[in-house]
Amino acid sequence: RKEVEQDPGPFNVPEGATVAFNCTYSNSASQSFFWYRQDCRKEPKLLMSVYSSGNEDGRFTAQLNRASQYISLLIRDSKLSDSATYLCVVTISSYDKVIFGPGTSLSVIP
Amino acid sequence: ETGVTQTPRHLVMGMTNKKSLKCEQHLGHNAMYWYKQSAKKPLELMFVYNFKEQTENNSVPSRFSPECPNSSHLFLHLHTLQPEDSALYLCASSHPLGAPGWDTQYFGPGTRLTVL
Repeated sequence: RKEVEQDPGPFNVPEGATVAFNCTYSNSASQSFFWYRQDCRKEPKLLMSVYSSGNEDGRFTAQLNRASQYISLLIRDSKLSDSATYLCVVTISSYDKVIFGPGTSLSVIP
Repeated sequence: ETGVTQTPRHLVMGMTNKKSLKCEQHLGHNAMYWYKQSAKKPLELMFVYNFKEQTENNSVPSRFSPECPNSSHLFLHLHTLQPEDSALYLCASSHPLGAPGWDTQYFGPGTRLTVL
């Protein structure tokens, strides 16, 4: 089983739609969780951290379910500029290990 | 943004060439990383340096040789590469391993490498 799994997509959604991405991780010792965004032919950039209580940043909401080893990202009111690949990232502090998921591709269509 | 810079941005080389990739970070970090990103594959961690000491070599072939002369600079020396080594090579930096914030990585723009 892969350490971090994501639905590769692509997700093609119209502007204004709400879209949700899921991510699962296999190591129960995972401690920190993040979503990164990677635009085409660019480097990954941190989008937001994910906390157990859930957190929101504008149109973006991240949720963590430790019991199910599941992370989600919800994007409301999608914009054309949201088109990118979204990477789920999990860290295991005891091993100083950062694990990137394969990414989910999103295309927001006019 | 100039937090992490990489040169060159594009590189085409033959299988018998020797070349080097350079990474420099201006964020005051003490951990630096090399990643490989091939088309339609997830990021693959290659090497990790913490305070100039290599802490991880993720079973990378010896034709890739990293060098970290100080906490701000990281090199990847390449020799006798194969066409399947063609990929985007990304450098990243972070706070020192184990320190608060170590798990947030800041990436450079990458070097797009083509091996003929």
